[in-house]
Amino acid sequence: GAVVSQHPSRVICKSGTSVKIECRSLDFQATTMFWYRQFPKKSLMLMATSNEGSKATYEQGVEKDKFLINHASLTLSTLTVTSAHPEDSSFYICSAYRGRWTTDTQYFGPGTRLTVL
Amino acid sequence: AQSVAQPEDQVNVAEGNPLTVKCTYSVSGNPYLFWYVQYPNRGLQFLLKYITGDNLVKGSYGFEAEFNKSQTSFHLKKPSALVSDSALYFCAVRGEMDSNYQLIWGAGTKLIIKP
Repeated sequence: GAVVSQHPSRVICKSGTSVKIECRSLDFQATTMFWYRQFPKKSLMLMATSNEGSKATYEQGVEKDKFLINHASLTLSTLTVTSAHPEDSSFYICSAYRGRWTTDTQYFGPGTRLTVL
Repeated sequence: AQSVAQPEDQVNVAEGNPLTVKCTYSVSGNPYLFWYVQYPNRGLQFLLKYITGDNLVKGSYGFEAEFNKSQTSFHLKKPSALVSDSALYFCAVRGEMDSNYQLIWGAGTKLIIKP
């Protein structure tokens, strides 16, 4: 299957700092990527849809000024958590669309565990 | 409203026994259905999908799923469970009329296979 990487896999930071998470599609071009947040009780929450060359579309309740998303190329999307606070601690997962049709499959990165002290 | 239900929070199966993880859905038009598996502290791995054609879909690691239109279900199955199948399983759906690529996700089912 298609490969999606995320970096870093784990990050610990102090409250008030910003953290950047990278999501890369390694063997395919992804015009659309998604960012999810997963809470300890397992549910996936879609945060935003990232489209190459355009602004991200955020889900209701997600602060776009806090969670900055940039999709600068067909293989890279970044999520920056600005002025992180302990409540931002979570598991962040990205996914990428391999094709251009709605029947195509989303492929997921391995996730990034963010801990804000 | 579009939705996915995974009615079982956890499923326990003895190794070697058949397993079923249930999923029902509600979408406009025909559904595109997906199963993903997540191992601890890992991202999701694609298992299989149903778009059209045969109702029985075969996927990775010996898993299969059966699409039942009348029951709006897409249950995941495996004839003989392995301890290594223990993980979190997510069902997801998108309606054919949807113009975006977003998936509607179930809450997940924790599968525990006991030796």
